[in-house]
Amino acid sequence: AQRVTQPEKLLSVFKGAPVELKCNYSYSGSPELFWYVQYSRQRLQLLLRHISRESIKGFTADLNKGETSFHLKKPFAQEEDSAMYYCALNAAGNKLTFGGGTRVLVKP
Amino acid sequence: DTGVSQNPRHKITKRGQNVTFRCDPISEHNRLYWYRQTLGQGPEFLTYFQNEAQLEKSRLLSDRFSAERPKGSFSTLEIQRTEQGDSAMYLCASSFPDWNTGELFFGEGSRLTVL
Repeated sequence: AQRVTQPEKLLSVFKGAPVELKCNYSYSGSPELFWYVQYSRQRLQLLLRHISRESIKGFTADLNKGETSFHLKKPFAQEEDSAMYYCALNAAGNKLTFGGGTRVLVKP
Repeated sequence: DTGVSQNPRHKITKRGQNVTFRCDPISEHNRLYWYRQTLGQGPEFLTYFQNEAQLEKSRLLSDRFSAERPKGSFSTLEIQRTEQGDSAMYLCASSFPDWNTGELFFGEGSRLTVL
């Protein structure tokens, strides 16, 4: 069965500092990985997908199949990055399996 | 289009009562998903529909839970004989069937509190 693990429940960083959210997955095939974000009082929404290899709002994520990881990084955190972040895996082609989430707090 | 709409937003009920939640997806989306989220956890998959067909159900979906999407548009999730463990946020999401995007569009959720 597929599983997504986000080991950090809370990350607190100062504005301008780098931030890295860890995500590890278990799946024996070729996964599709995503990061979703939920800002305060907003809906859960897609942030980025590994297949696009894109940078969204300064965030990037690299799929490392050897380490089964998909960590999310941003070199200079901003206060507006404060939110809940969820790593998600599409293994069966039909649905997403989410991790437990990491709350990011960017302090001024 | 205001996105995925869920009603009611909050529901407080007594143990043993039945509750029903409704989800209206984005009109051109033919996939509809139900997830459950408890405090401090990520969303957990419950079930999904493609048009009116319910294609997969999670083991989390006990016999007390039933979901329908009769005309391939809105969906309902009914919980019979509610238990305190059913207290959670119930999230609905919709999408196109093209999984190259992998994007689910979520509603604001329906929060259930079972007393």
